[in-house]
Amino acid sequence: QSALTQPPSASGSPGQSVTISCTGTNSDVGGYNYVSWYQQHPGRAPKLMIYEVTKRPSGVPDRFSGSKSGDTASLTVSGLQAEDEADYYCKSYGGSNTWVFGGGTKLTVL
Amino acid sequence: EVQLVESGGGLVHPGGSLRLSCAASGFTFGNHDMHWVRQVPGKGLEWLSGIGMVGDSYYAASIMGRFTISRENGKSSLFLQMNDLRAGDTAVYYCVRGSYCRSYGNCYPVGYFDSWGQGTLVTVSS
Repeated sequence: QSALTQPPSASGSPGQSVTISCTGTNSDVGGYNYVSWYQQHPGRAPKLMIYEVTKRPSGVPDRFSGSKSGDTASLTVSGLQAEDEADYYCKSYGGSNTWVFGGGTKLTVL
Repeated sequence: EVQLVESGGGLVHPGGSLRLSCAASGFTFGNHDMHWVRQVPGKGLEWLSGIGMVGDSYYAASIMGRFTISRENGKSSLFLQMNDLRAGDTAVYYCVRGSYCRSYGNCYPVGYFDSWGQGTLVTVSS
């Protein structure tokens, strides 16, 4: 199972919106609506931000939203804030009870 | 409060073995699937293995045959036995809580990795 493809970096100014893509295949992202997104600040454990493509766990701001089209999922962060600066990872079900992560995207708030 | 505390990491020679443990508290351990995820320092996350509430186990191809996941529900504990360790296994290993399972095969939300331990560092070096 190959890692999902994410851009290494993304950036935006405070208040702007930024979208991070996550591309897989029809065996993972395209085959199931089980994509999730994780935020990781330096030295910290990852935090679940989006699950089942579009759903937010309680406590996650509604500035974070997810979507999917074909083999590509996306995470959009609206109204960027300084604390959103972090690494973001997508994860997809890969079939047969396996999971695959993306390579990660470093989001910089300018 | 959900807590996951990993232990057992350390320095090991290539070809050696380690057994990681994860002590869980603050939730009904036996009703959740559990996972191990690792992260090479400065690199991305890699899912390694998951285990269902009745002990059904699943592995990434990269570690199949070398690592074994297990759980002891009565002690709210998760384990990862790692054999034939290689330099490429050097990483921080996270214990992760997965979906809530009402019964075998009835787990939701799917892929809900909502609680992570602080990680334990495994270094494979001669």
